[in-house]
Parts: sequence; structure tokens; C-alpha cells
Amino acid sequence: AQSVTQLGSHVSVSEGALVLLRCNYSSSVPPYLFWYVQYPNQGLQLLLKYTTGATLVKGINGFEAEFKKSETSFHLTKPSAHMSDAAEYFCAVKTSYDKVIFGPGTSLSVIP
Amino acid sequence: GAVVSQHPSWVICKSGTSVKIECRSLDFQATTMFWYRQFPKQSLMLMATSNEGSKATYEQGVEKDKFLINHASLTLSTLTVTSAHPEDSSFYICSARGISTYEQYFGPGTRLTVT
Repeated sequence: AQSVTQLGSHVSVSEGALVLLRCNYSSSVPPYLFWYVQYPNQGLQLLLKYTTGATLVKGINGFEAEFKKSETSFHLTKPSAHMSDAAEYFCAVKTSYDKVIFGPGTSLSVIP
Repeated sequence: GAVVSQHPSWVICKSGTSVKIECRSLDFQATTMFWYRQFPKQSLMLMATSNEGSKATYEQGVEKDKFLINHASLTLSTLTVTSAHPEDSSFYICSARGISTYEQYFGPGTRLTVT
């Protein structure tokens, strides 16, 4: 069965610092992987996705993630944090049954 | 493109009443729609998967008689919370997947508060 773990339920970074949000997955089939962002009382917005091909995926708002099969990881990074990046971030994997399973989420705080 | 709407965006109801939440794909045909619930500070939990014209498939532990799902057209799915209780208070989010695509598009969510 597919599953997703996110190390660190809460991450704080200073404005302008590197953002690194960790995601590890387990999947019995080649995974489709996603990162979503959620602002308070709002739905989900897709940041980026990996399906096949290039393992370094670039998304919106300057975020990118790298699929590392050997490490079963899909960590999300951004070189320089902005105050507007403060939100909840969810890593997700699409299962072989066509469902999307979400990780527990990481709350990102950006300190001015 | 690929916009999904939900209505209402928030609703307050009394315990024992039923509430219907609509999920619409505005600019594409959604063969499959998914319903999630999200408790405060928690992740999204899949409740059920509905395919147009057929019965929904519920996840383990979700009461199908309590959470009625109808997917009568390619652009509309509804979730009805029957005999709602305070513990049903949650954020309900739907997503829709179009024909021949793996990607799901999420609605903005509906905040349900049962008093």
C-alpha cells in the first residue's frame, strides 16, 4: 500500500532563507508525486508534480522538488523564503487505485 | 481552466438536520470525483470516490448511510451529511478528475459546523 510521511510537522525559517520540506513515500508501483499548498480555510493548490521523466521538477512560486527513487524521497525546496510562503504543505502520492494519499502535512512559518 | 467549485463555502446547521454540499467542475467533464474531510491541523482523509452514474466507493470506516454521495452528471457531485452531529463538523473538500487524466483538481472546500 502506498503511504507518505513528512518529517517535521512544523518548520520555521527566516525570510530569505532556504526552505526544505521533507517527504518520503512508499509505493509498490512507479509513483506519481505531488506537493500541494493550503492557506487557512482554503482548498489545495498544486505546487508541482512528478510523473515521469526529469527528476527535478519546477513548480509555481519558485518551488522545486527532486524525485530520488533510491531514497524514496520527494523533498520540496525554495532558495529564498518569502512571508507569503507561510502555509500548510502537503506531499501526496497517487496510488495504483487512482486515489491520492496525502501526507500529514508540514506547517511552514516564515520569520521576518 | 480546470476549475472546481463548492457550494456552500460554509454552513452552520443544527444537530439532527441534513446538509447537502455541491461540487461542480466548471470547465471540464469529471468522470470521477473524490470527497475528503479535514479536521483542524490535520491532513485530508479520503472519504469516498464517485464515478458518474454509479454508486460511490467508500473508504473503510466511512458510514455510507450517513454520508450520501450522488454523482448524477459529469459536472456535479453532491455530498449529503444526514442527521448531522457536532462530531461531523469539519472541512469537506472535493476534487475532480477529468477524462483520460490522472490529475485531480480541488475545490475550495466547505466548512461545516454542527451546533
